[in-house]
Amino acid sequence: ETGVTQSPTHLIKTRGQQVTLRCSSQSGHNTVSWYQQALGQGPQFIFQYYREEENGRGNFPPRFSGLQFPNYSSELNVNALELDDSALYLCASSLMDTEAFFGQGTRLTVV
Amino acid sequence: KQEVTQIPAALSVPEGENLVLNCSFTDSAIYNLQWFRQDPGKGLTSLLLIQSSQREQTSGRLNASLDKSSGRSTLYIAASQPGDSATYLCAVRRDNFNKFYFGSGTKLNVKP
Repeated sequence: ETGVTQSPTHLIKTRGQQVTLRCSSQSGHNTVSWYQQALGQGPQFIFQYYREEENGRGNFPPRFSGLQFPNYSSELNVNALELDDSALYLCASSLMDTEAFFGQGTRLTVV
Repeated sequence: KQEVTQIPAALSVPEGENLVLNCSFTDSAIYNLQWFRQDPGKGLTSLLLIQSSQREQTSGRLNASLDKSSGRSTLYIAASQPGDSATYLCAVRRDNFNKFYFGSGTKLNVKP
């Protein structure tokens, strides 16, 4: 049990719709990042937040956006869903350079 | 750009064997390296974290080594068990934030 909780566990959406995924960080962790993992691949970095500010972004279009709240929980929003957005979405939390802990992921299927 | 490669992509061994999983990275300017385990359809479980100044870390039957200059890390699993069957991922961090560069993983199957 890592203390990082993601919701929902599974989600099915239609192409063109919008989706919000949620992550509750481990207590006291001020840095959260989001990753997309396609089947059979390693996770790909989407973006990270430190103290409610985005401070790093991977090669993902602007329709991927996020928020971090004062309690350090976080949201990932994806607009105008495409079939290729189907993947496992993972969030990770840590305190700066300490060990990072991942949640169990949200499996998103776009049909 | 940092690229992380893991070899082999898949490995099947009988129970009890000692085994080595390999991870290589192209940019030696890393902050730390972390090994993870992933069960099918699940999240990542942290196994070992090695800081850039360290050479190895041990936890139970697991030992991870780091050779930064050559861009390599190995994960050694002693006396493998069927419960070790999973995908093992290595990830390098360039700085002290959470951005990891992941390999594609080694899928391990330990046969009873």
